[in-house]
Amino acid sequence: DAKTTQPTSMDCAEGRAANLPCNHSTISGNEYVYWYRQIHSQGPQYIIHGLKNNETNEMASLIITEDRKSSTLILPHATLRDTAVYYCIVRLTPSYTGTASKLTFGTGTRLQVTL
Amino acid sequence: GAVVSQHPSWVICKSGTSVKIECRSLDFQATTMFWYRQFPKQSLMLMATSNEGSKATYEQGVEKDKFLINHASLTLSTLTVTSAHPEDSSFYICSARDGGGPSYNEQFFGPGTRLTVL
Repeated sequence: DAKTTQPTSMDCAEGRAANLPCNHSTISGNEYVYWYRQIHSQGPQYIIHGLKNNETNEMASLIITEDRKSSTLILPHATLRDTAVYYCIVRLTPSYTGTASKLTFGTGTRLQVTL
Repeated sequence: GAVVSQHPSWVICKSGTSVKIECRSLDFQATTMFWYRQFPKQSLMLMATSNEGSKATYEQGVEKDKFLINHASLTLSTLTVTSAHPEDSSFYICSARDGGGPSYNEQFFGPGTRLTVL
């Protein structure tokens, strides 16, 4: 799986948009970009994923650059409950089975949302 | 939908004893389950991958005789930490890969089990 690079930490004021960048310059054509978050002492929570088009769901938006070498996760209106470690993961298409579908977690970005 | 549970949520045991952690997919069939370990202030590290009915595949550096994994059904996998020692104290997290339905092939994580070995 391609390696990702994320800032170690970020702060965001409550109610403002949180923009979390991720670099994945070695991503290959059949690899997806996934975002998970982990609130303290809980299991990771899936947020969103995409291949090359921008994606949006009820939690967030994912913007992937045209060359697919970087992406940005956007939380449009951050709340205190969004304080967590956010992981950007590049992985093979989910149709792969067994170990090929594993997720490799990096160090992530610790997002602190403040009043 | 797509809920994964773990039991127990926390456990304290004496050094030298064995501890079993259960991971269940509650509303889907999990053809593959993954076990992770997370030490304080560190990221999740994959320990092993298990497919239902077959032997688990362990990551490099993980002792298969110490961390026994059983994936006997499509909804249950167990991790047994044998002869636990204080250095095995960690947060153990499982994930389950949906083998069918609308979330086909996606992974869902359990809430984690905190193991403390005295």
